[in-house]
Amino acid sequence: DIQMTQSPSAMSASVGDRVTITCRASQGISNYLAWFQQKPGKVPKRLIYGTSSLQSGVPSRFSGSGSGTEFSLTISSLQPEDFATYYCLQHNTYPWTFGQGTKVEIK
Amino acid sequence: QVQLVQSGAEVKKPGASVRVSCKTSGYTFTGYYMHWVRQAPGQGLEWMGWINPNSGATNYAQKFQGRVTMTRDTSIATAYMELSSLRSDDTALYYCARAYVTGTLVFDYWGQGNLVTVSS
Repeated sequence: DIQMTQSPSAMSASVGDRVTITCRASQGISNYLAWFQQKPGKVPKRLIYGTSSLQSGVPSRFSGSGSGTEFSLTISSLQPEDFATYYCLQHNTYPWTFGQGTKVEIK
Repeated sequence: QVQLVQSGAEVKKPGASVRVSCKTSGYTFTGYYMHWVRQAPGQGLEWMGWINPNSGATNYAQKFQGRVTMTRDTSIATAYMELSSLRSDDTALYYCARAYVTGTLVFDYWGQGNLVTVSS
C-alpha cells in the first residue's frame, strides 16, 4: 500500500499567516492527489484535485503543488474559517490512501 | 443539484451485520463510481472500496475483503454498503462519495455520513 505521510500533524497559526502542509507518498502517484478540508462534525470538502486544480467555489488563497512523491497545500493568508483538519488523498493506486490529517488551530 | 443522502444511524451488536444506503439524485447514477470511506471517532479517513453502478463490479480494500459487500439498485439510484462480523472497532461514520471512472474527478460530492455504533 502507498503510505501518505502528512506533516505537520498539527499546527498553530494566526489569521493572516501563510500555511503550508506537506504530503509525502511512499511511491510515485503521478498527479493523482487531492486535498480535503474537514471541520468538526462536518463532511470533508474537496479543495484541490489533480494536485493543483482548485475546486470551484474554493477561495484562491488555497493552492496545491507537487509531483511524484512530494505534494503541498498552501493557504496564502489564513482566515478564521480555515481552522480545520486537512487531509490528502492519493488515488493513483489501490487501495486509495489518505494522509493522517493536519489539524490547523488558532494561535 | 447533486445530492447523496444516506440512511440513519445504526446501533449493532458485535458479530452482527449492518447495511447502509446512499440515495443519489441530480446526476446520472451509472456515470460515476460510488466509493465508501469511513472515519472512526476522532480519527482520520479510511477508504473501503467502490462499486461501479453501471456493471455492479466492485473493488474492495484488502482490509475489508470477505466482510464488505457493495451493491446498487439502479432503478432507485441507490448504493449500499454492507459490513458483516462487526467489531467494536468498526464503530465509525461511514460516508459514500462519488468519483468519475478515470481521471481526477474524485470525491467532489459526499453523503452526510452514517454513524454505525457497535456495542454489546
